[in-house]
Amino acid sequence: GESVGLHLPTLSVQEGDNSIINCAYSNSASDYFIWYKQESGKGPQFIIDIRSNMDKRQGQRVTVLLNKTVKHLSLQIAATQPGDSAVYFCAESETGANNLFFGTGTRLTVIP
Amino acid sequence: EAGVVQSPRYKIIEKKQPVAFWCNPISGHNTLYWYLQNLGQGPELLIRYENEEAVDDSQLPKDRFSAERLKGVDSTLKIQPAELGDSAVYLCASSPQGTSGELFFGEGSRLTVL
Repeated sequence: GESVGLHLPTLSVQEGDNSIINCAYSNSASDYFIWYKQESGKGPQFIIDIRSNMDKRQGQRVTVLLNKTVKHLSLQIAATQPGDSAVYFCAESETGANNLFFGTGTRLTVIP
Repeated sequence: EAGVVQSPRYKIIEKKQPVAFWCNPISGHNTLYWYLQNLGQGPELLIRYENEEAVDDSQLPKDRFSAERLKGVDSTLKIQPAELGDSAVYLCASSPQGTSGELFFGEGSRLTVL
């Protein structure tokens, strides 16, 4: 199957700083990418998605960047807050959300 | 609006015993998914339903796993017999039909096989 991996398994940031979580994928046919946040004991929660015809998409305090040339995806969180502490998963698909392949995850810890 | 509801939240059984998990999706969501999540890993799709039809069960180990969604609403995932390696969190998710956006996940059912 597709390989979706993350560069760093853990990331610690100071409260108020910006966070950047990176993700690499290997399937050049992937055209849909999505980030999920998973807090301890809960199911994943949608953050933001992006299609391959875009290279940037912004949400509330979050930005997703897609570099198809190097098959790299990143999630930027502005002014990181303690509530952002969680595991973040990137996922990709050739056919939308119906067939998502999830990466291993990065644990983000926000230091007050 | 109520989210995806799963039960039980936790289940501990001995190997070779059967176990079943139940999922109630968000009202109106035609698509239902069962995912397996091992510790420290991302979710892996087991089966996807469109209404009552299983449209993708290619990753479901059919020798011991079964699932049903008889009336196109609630779903049950069964393992019989359970093995030690089945210890994991079983996540249910739903989405409105035809969207390519977010999946709404339940909190999961954590299975421990002794």
